[in-house]
Amino acid sequence: ETGVTQSPTHLIKTRGQQVTLRCSSQSGHNTVSWYQQALGQGPQFIFQYYREEENGRGNFPPRFSGLQFPNYSSELNVNALELDDSALYLCASSLLDGFNYGYTFGSGTRLTVV
Amino acid sequence: RKEVEQDPGPFNVPEGATVAFNCTYSNSASQSFFWYRQDCRKEPKLLMSVYSSGNEDGRFTAQLNRASQYISLLIRDSKLSDSATYLCVVNRGVSNYKLTFGKGTLLTVNP
Repeated sequence: ETGVTQSPTHLIKTRGQQVTLRCSSQSGHNTVSWYQQALGQGPQFIFQYYREEENGRGNFPPRFSGLQFPNYSSELNVNALELDDSALYLCASSLLDGFNYGYTFGSGTRLTVV
Repeated sequence: RKEVEQDPGPFNVPEGATVAFNCTYSNSASQSFFWYRQDCRKEPKLLMSVYSSGNEDGRFTAQLNRASQYISLLIRDSKLSDSATYLCVVNRGVSNYKLTFGKGTLLTVNP
């Protein structure tokens, strides 16, 4: 059973650029959630995808968007990057079947915006 | 008021000590509760779920008081390998499984 894999592991971007982060969910999982963890803070919920549709969103602006593909993998896109977007971006997959059986987190993508 | 608040820490304890972490949550509709552990520059990992009746896993004991909206974690006989950040986590949804994390409390266990 493979776990959650994220790519890339590290990324440096310039303010104003766009970035795409990728996540492959754990085998058997159908839901992907994305979290942002700034330095010294707990992870903050960005959004969740279930059956290729957004299934809940946190307090993040529209320039944060996502996709889920038929194989349940997912992308997080951030447009017009700001310095405050520098953070660890975590993807978590889970099985949702009337009940959620708990998350498995990937090891994250560390994004630095300069 | 933050949705999940934890002791700010950091905690520095000697090996063998007992250490307690406290957490409060503001949303009475919260459905489920967890403690996660996060090692430096790594992803959070589930330590244990927290049930109203209280639950124990080896040296770790978790308690939940729904009336007070309070969660605790007790670590007995602490080991060097327990050094990490401990995150208090609540889930509001059932079908929409959105976890809300506290800021975390850093624990360092010293030899």
